[in-house]
Order: sequence, then C-alpha cells, then structure tokens
Amino acid sequence: QVQLVESGGGVVQPGGSLRLSCAASGFTFSSYGMHWVRQAPGKGLEWVAFIRYDGSNKYYADSVKGRFTISRDNSKNTLYLQMNSLRAEDTAVYYCAKSDCSSTSCYAGKNYFDYWGQGTLVTVSS
Amino acid sequence: SYELTQPLSVSVALGQTARITCGGNNIGSKNVHWYQQKPGQAPVLVIYRDSNRPSGIPERFSGSNSGNTATLTISRAQAGDEADYYCQVWDSSGVFGGGTKLTVL
Repeated sequence: QVQLVESGGGVVQPGGSLRLSCAASGFTFSSYGMHWVRQAPGKGLEWVAFIRYDGSNKYYADSVKGRFTISRDNSKNTLYLQMNSLRAEDTAVYYCAKSDCSSTSCYAGKNYFDYWGQGTLVTVSS
Repeated sequence: SYELTQPLSVSVALGQTARITCGGNNIGSKNVHWYQQKPGQAPVLVIYRDSNRPSGIPERFSGSNSGNTATLTISRAQAGDEADYYCQVWDSSGVFGGGTKLTVL
C-alpha cells in the first residue's frame, strides 16, 4: 500500500531555514508527480508546490515563490522541500501528497492528491 | 488567480442528504476534486474528476459539476461523515476552496 512519511519539521526562528523530507513507498515513485500542501493551525488547506515525475517542471504558490524549493531523488524514493527565509505565516502542518499525474498521462484533471502523508509541523517563532 | 467559494458550514440530520457546494467562475469547465478531513487527520480523497469515487469510498458519496457550481452530495448521512470538506482544482497551480464543516445532527 502507498505510504508517505514526512520528517524534518520543528521550531525555527524567523529568517531561518528548514528542509522537509517525504519518504515514499508502495508505488513507483519515479513515475508520479508529487506535491507539498500545508495547513496553518485552525485554517484550511493551502497548496505549496508541485514537481513532475522526473523533476523537469516545478510549480510554486505565490506565497512561497523564491523562498521554497521542491526537489526529488528518485533513486531514494524521497521528496524534499527546502524552506528559506521563513516567516511566522509559514507556521503549519506540511503534508506531502502523491499526484495522479504520471509519466504517461498528465493533464489538469489528473493533478489531484490521491494519497497523503500524516504531515510534519513547522513552527516559525522567536 | 482562480478562486473557489464554499459555505463555512452545512448541517444535515442523521440519515438525510447533505449537499456541499463549491463555486467558481465557469467551474463546470474544470475538473473538481473533493477531500474529507477529520480532526487531527490528514485529508482523504473522496471524489476525483467531478464524480469519480476512489476505491474504498462509499457509494453514498457522489459529485456533480456544471456551470458555476460543483456539488458534493452525501446520502444517508452518518455520524462518521462529520468532517471538513474541501474542493480543489488545478489551474496552473493548486487551488482549494476554504472548506466546509459538515455537522450531522
């Protein structure tokens, strides 16, 4: 079965950096796009970033563009989110999620989140 | 940027039908997906591409999409259906609605 396990969350000061990881298993990781989605305490879901199956294209929310970088290592079945210049408003639970967008078929209607990890909490505070 | 609008809350009597709407400009031309999130848990996909159910999701969950409104319908509502529900589209970026809290009375 599909498993996604996030790690790397914690407390960081404003302006600091953090790298999140997401270890994937139970599917052919190198064939599917992957997302990061976050949820601030008591708030709704916010999409953060998407990377295609081979890392060739990356997309970011305006709120994180220029500060966050999504990447993947298909040899390690692992997704990453490098977060720099962190702000208080970046405080959230960060989820990695698998896309149905694959190496053989990818269009808007396939870019949804069919499996989610349990999330890792990032707190930006002095 | 594209926006999705959901009611903050919907209430339904036990065993009755709940309808949660998701409004967007010409949303009928897009594929809409729905997620259920219970407190302290990760979201779960319940409907993809307007009206398709993933395996393991009860037939009581259905979806439709036309014009400026997409709708998630939950028939024979159960206490276990109480949760937050989010609609989502892909419009060169991921877009979520604000979420709807479903209360089963």
